[in-house]
Amino acid sequence: TQLLEQSPQFLSIQEGENLTVYCNSSSVFSSLQWYRQEPGEGPVLLVTVVTGGEVKKLKRLTFQFGDARKDSSLHITAAQPGDTGLYLCAGASYGQNFVFGPGTRLSVLP
Amino acid sequence: DSGVTQTPKHLITATGQRVTLRCSPRSGDLSVYWYQQSLDQGLQFLIQYYNGEERAKGNILERFSAQQFPDLHSELNLSSLELGDSALYFCASSVSGLAGASTDTQYFGPGTRLTVL
Repeated sequence: TQLLEQSPQFLSIQEGENLTVYCNSSSVFSSLQWYRQEPGEGPVLLVTVVTGGEVKKLKRLTFQFGDARKDSSLHITAAQPGDTGLYLCAGASYGQNFVFGPGTRLSVLP
Repeated sequence: DSGVTQTPKHLITATGQRVTLRCSPRSGDLSVYWYQQSLDQGLQFLIQYYNGEERAKGNILERFSAQQFPDLHSELNLSSLELGDSALYFCASSVSGLAGASTDTQYFGPGTRLTVL
């Protein structure tokens, strides 16, 4: 069974600070996705990474896929209150459905 | 707006009852996924349908069943409800449903919040 762990579980920071959240597994994934979920809504896809060592940037968000394709990180620069939400990572191996991590709940205070 | 619709938005019922949750995928998407999200379990994959056929099963209880109709909408049936079934139920859709394919993005609906009293 593939399992994903995410850390930290909760994070509360001030506006303008930088942060990194992590997604780890003992399994190798063919692709890994990051989602953000706001209260009362469904998860929204932020990025998909597929190549070991891949780095993708989405404005102030930087996503990295580990060389061995077992882990990933999400770095946010100069966090804003609008970044508040639950960040989920989801990994899949070809032919198997996505497995979601438990999420990191981020709160950015103004 | 993801283009995926789910009804109802909220559902309150009693233990032992049966409910049906409905999902309409994005236009053009052939695959539908159902997930359960609770505070202590996170987002759990239940079942996937592709063009009317069951494609994959996850942690779906025998009391739960689903189907996808010719017009591609899907229904999740939950029966003999227990208190522990209280959760958010999400439907997602994608074009091909090729699990693990980097190009196959899942788009999530707004969810149905089920409360079992």
